[in-house]
Amino acid sequence: DGGITQSPKYLFRKEGQNVTLSCEQNLNHDAMYWYRQDPGQGLRLIYYSQIVNDFQKGDIAEGYSVSREKKESFPLTVTSAQKNPTAFYLCASSIRGQNTEAFFGQGTRLTVV
Amino acid sequence: GQSLEQPSEVTAVEGAIVQINCTYQTSGFYGLSWYQQHDGGAPTFLSYNGLDGLEETGRFSSFLSRSDSYGYLLLQELQMKDSASYFCAVRGTGGGNKLTFGTGTQLKVEL
Repeated sequence: DGGITQSPKYLFRKEGQNVTLSCEQNLNHDAMYWYRQDPGQGLRLIYYSQIVNDFQKGDIAEGYSVSREKKESFPLTVTSAQKNPTAFYLCASSIRGQNTEAFFGQGTRLTVV
Repeated sequence: GQSLEQPSEVTAVEGAIVQINCTYQTSGFYGLSWYQQHDGGAPTFLSYNGLDGLEETGRFSSFLSRSDSYGYLLLQELQMKDSASYFCAVRGTGGGNKLTFGTGTQLKVEL
């Protein structure tokens, strides 16, 4: 079955540590996105990528980094510079185009302890 | 850039009709999409308006007016399972195909 997979579902991190969230898709999509969602809030764009080896900052990129070495994979690293990293992180993918549907993973809930 | 505003919460009774509004400020976009998200789950695509007017998909309809910078999602014959958060979204015409979401509306359906 085609889909987009995020792992792990729950993640705990100590303050001052970097942590990497995985996002893999087998939908052959060019575009991939990372969003952050806080309780009762909307989805805020962290980074996005339209093709391999290229990505762009979203609206809240500070304290995060990404890579896009393969079409299927778009990992997100939450660095120690991110001051408030506890949140629900969602990865999405889509084909490039004007009205294409975005498909989301089930999310990773990150908690800093 | 893009910003999309929605009411934070809407409450309606089962069987009723409810409208969720989305007002936006954008430098250019292809069209307006709507997504549904149940608590703790992944957002799923509901509808897309590329042109002004009404699009109907079963119990859900969506409307766009570019001249008014406004759109809405209309849910008819509400069911308890429609209790969820609803987000409008736009894909920018600038480089990169940026996909920006609205602030979200939590819909509560009551008996």
